[in-house]
Amino acid sequence: DVKVTQSSRYLVKRTGEKVFLECVQDMDHENMFWYRQDPGLGLRLIYFSYDVKMKEKGDIPEGYSVSREKKERFSLILESASTNQTSMYLCASSSGQGGHGYTFGSGTRLTVV
Amino acid sequence: KNEVEQSPQNLTAQEGEFITINCSYSVGISALHWLQQHPGGGIVSLFMLSSGKKKHGRLIATINIQEKHSSLHITASHPRDSAVYICAAYYQDSNYQLIWGAGTKLIIKP
Repeated sequence: DVKVTQSSRYLVKRTGEKVFLECVQDMDHENMFWYRQDPGLGLRLIYFSYDVKMKEKGDIPEGYSVSREKKERFSLILESASTNQTSMYLCASSSGQGGHGYTFGSGTRLTVV
Repeated sequence: KNEVEQSPQNLTAQEGEFITINCSYSVGISALHWLQQHPGGGIVSLFMLSSGKKKHGRLIATINIQEKHSSLHITASHPRDSAVYICAAYYQDSNYQLIWGAGTKLIIKP
């Protein structure tokens, strides 16, 4: 069963901590995405990557960075966590330019205290 | 501007009813996705379509390219269908990104 795996379902971190959210896909997909989902705001794209070591800013990249050293792994980094980064974070992957096989992970609910 | 509009925003129905959720979009779409999210859960892709109609169990998705409109139908609805349903479009100039609708919160009452 193909899937996108996010390393943690729930995380609680302190303000100012550096936070790593990991995402791994086993479908050999070229494209990987990080979204955050907040009530009333829907899904917003933070960063995406269409190839190893390639990254592109999405709609809300401020306060975040990403790393894609291997095709199957896409990491989201909160350099210095803040309370306004408390959210549900969703990783996704897809193949090619048509969005084929668009698959989401189960999400990481991050709380920054 | 590439946009996706969904309606209704909220929908409550009785078990067994036929459900329709609508999605309209701008020109230049290359594919349209329908996704489902249960409360507290991850997002599952239901359909990806660029023309015609697709069916999976009690779920049917249609797209009318000329009218720039897609619908998701649920036949014989059941309380376990209660979820948020989201449509998202791949525009030809979207650079790998999906443009998201706001979602439709569906509640099916027993």
